[in-house]
Amino acid sequence: EAQVTQNPRYLITVTGKKLTVTCSQNMNHEYMSWYRQDPGLGLRQIYYSMNVEVTDKGDVPEGYKVSRKEKRNFPLILESPSPNQTSLYFCASGRYEQYFGPGTRLTVT
Amino acid sequence: GIQVEQSPPDLILQEGANSTLRCNFSDSVNNLQWFHQNPWGQLINLFYIPSGTKQNGRLSATTVATERYSLLYISSSQTTDSGVYFCAVERRDNYGQNFVFGPGTRLSVLP
Repeated sequence: EAQVTQNPRYLITVTGKKLTVTCSQNMNHEYMSWYRQDPGLGLRQIYYSMNVEVTDKGDVPEGYKVSRKEKRNFPLILESPSPNQTSLYFCASGRYEQYFGPGTRLTVT
Repeated sequence: GIQVEQSPPDLILQEGANSTLRCNFSDSVNNLQWFHQNPWGQLINLFYIPSGTKQNGRLSATTVATERYSLLYISSSQTTDSGVYFCAVERRDNYGQNFVFGPGTRLSVLP
């Protein structure tokens, strides 16, 4: 079954405490990406990756890092989270038919 | 950068009615997709349709790339069609090469 998994699904953390949201896909897609969804601002792409070791910024990359060391995984790293990064985060896999993960609801206090 | 607009912003239908959702984009694209976000937040890909027409059951989509718009048709709507419908385009310009989503159309189908 085609699947994109994200972990954790819910996370409450404090300002400045580094965290990583994992994303994994089983479809052998080269293209993966991260989005955040905020009320009134919609879905915005944070980072995307065309292939292993190839990543690029989306529209809102500030405060985030990504890495793509293997095709199936694309973790999102918040080195020093701030309250304005409280959001619903989605990982997606595929370029011409994007499959989305279930989402990670992050609260930074 | 590219602008993506969707209309109408909200739509309320009675079960069984038909509807047309529109997506306008400000620059040429070679990748346009439609998504449905259900009331539980799950995002499902409906169509990859940079041009032409596609159909999948009660849903169909048409993109007229030369006129920079796409339409999503929902026929015989069901309550399970409720949610938010997004179009997204992949831009390729001096600002980058990434996906830009429209603001969405919120559809409510009443029983």
